[in-house]
Amino acid sequence: AQKITQTQPGMFVQEKEAVTLDCTYDTSDPSYGLFWYKQPSSGEMIFLIYQGSYDQQNATEGRYSLNFQKARKSANLVISASQLGDSAMYFCAMRESLDRGSTLGRLYFGRGTQLTVWP
Amino acid sequence: KAGVTQTPRYLIKTRGQQVTLSCSPISGHRSVSWYQQTPGQGLQFLFEYFSETQRNKGNFPGRFSGRQFSNSRSEMNVSTLELGDSALYLCASSLTGVEETQYFGPGTRLLVL
Repeated sequence: AQKITQTQPGMFVQEKEAVTLDCTYDTSDPSYGLFWYKQPSSGEMIFLIYQGSYDQQNATEGRYSLNFQKARKSANLVISASQLGDSAMYFCAMRESLDRGSTLGRLYFGRGTQLTVWP
Repeated sequence: KAGVTQTPRYLIKTRGQQVTLSCSPISGHRSVSWYQQTPGQGLQFLFEYFSETQRNKGNFPGRFSGRQFSNSRSEMNVSTLELGDSALYLCASSLTGVEETQYFGPGTRLLVL
């Protein structure tokens, strides 16, 4: 089963509008981290925002917010006031423990959503 | 604080050759992970190193190997290159803990001809 599912291969949004990028995850581990990364055409993976599995409040970082619905296992990224520079590929990722008690763990990535912001 | 650095940034090799990629983590980060990104397969996990030991390995053939040095710098090696090894190779470093963010380097673009 896929650990991370991003169902929107592409999204279009007009400048200054808000957009929501969907992400659902699958884990039985009680402790995990959820992350969103942005990858422009240059290839570098840029960290945007983090949500911990035990966090009660949704994470926010500037124009980015994470809509965390634990029971539904969803972690959608909301970008407010879109800018032309937001055009990029966006990846949702989850980090869970290598094994019980371990502090190590790999990232599982979705297939990404290509966001295009138009003027 | 300097970010994750990767060298070289671009590489062209021919089938059958071998290649070594290098990654220097953020100062203080002891966990280093490697990922391969291709248009067809997306982002795939290669390995994770901590304290000079490989702690986790993805589903890649033995031609892919790596190591970590005492200063946390890491290298990955691909022997007997195949055309399908053409990819963007990303290195990430982090502090330990699933809540810790993995920060990525700029990547090495490998083209195998």
